[in-house]
Amino acid sequence: AIQMTQSPSSLSASVGDRVTITCRASQGIKNDLGWYQQKPGKAPKLLIYTTSNLQSGVPSRFSGSGSGTDFTLTISSLQPEDFATYYCLQDYGYPLTFGGGTKVEIK
Amino acid sequence: QVQLQESGRGLVEPSETLSLTCTVSGGSISDYYWTWIRQPPGKGLEWIGYIYYNGNTNYNPSLKSRVTISVDTSNNQFSLKLSSVTAADTAVYYCTRRVAIRPRYYFDYWGQGTLVTVSS
Repeated sequence: AIQMTQSPSSLSASVGDRVTITCRASQGIKNDLGWYQQKPGKAPKLLIYTTSNLQSGVPSRFSGSGSGTDFTLTISSLQPEDFATYYCLQDYGYPLTFGGGTKVEIK
Repeated sequence: QVQLQESGRGLVEPSETLSLTCTVSGGSISDYYWTWIRQPPGKGLEWIGYIYYNGNTNYNPSLKSRVTISVDTSNNQFSLKLSSVTAADTAVYYCTRRVAIRPRYYFDYWGQGTLVTVSS
């Protein structure tokens, strides 16, 4: 199975900060990577698919980049509603695998 | 608006079979990969497997010997059965719809999730 290593596992940031989360795949996955946001007690929500495509309705402060094995989710200016846990998901090969998650907390 | 709703027993005894159903409303069950994902309390997400509307399945090898996913297109439902459960199977179980038409691969609609606890 393809292992997805996400970092950091948690971070503290302030409203307005630029936040970067990375995900590394154990093998090349082309650009078949998505990012999901999960708030406590809720189902994950799709933010970005195929590395850099913003899902409809998702604010433009979210962006994704990368290819091959290294990927990044960037939040350009953190908003109060962005405090949540973020997961990457490789969609390249089965079994599909998620990163371990990054919890974004208020500083 | 597509909606998914999980249903099933929230408490299962060890060694028994966990059974959940996901009812899809607001859209057809055709042309998508209907997927189960679980999340143990306080932990990350694990892909369990999917069923395509035509009945094709794909399961996580870590669970493959115990998992069966089926579909009932006439009722717009799909189901999960996980046999011989242990406490390690305690988790919130999500049903979700997967779009998989290159270059679009993603889970776009999710159920609210249902907590299944394995305990005697």
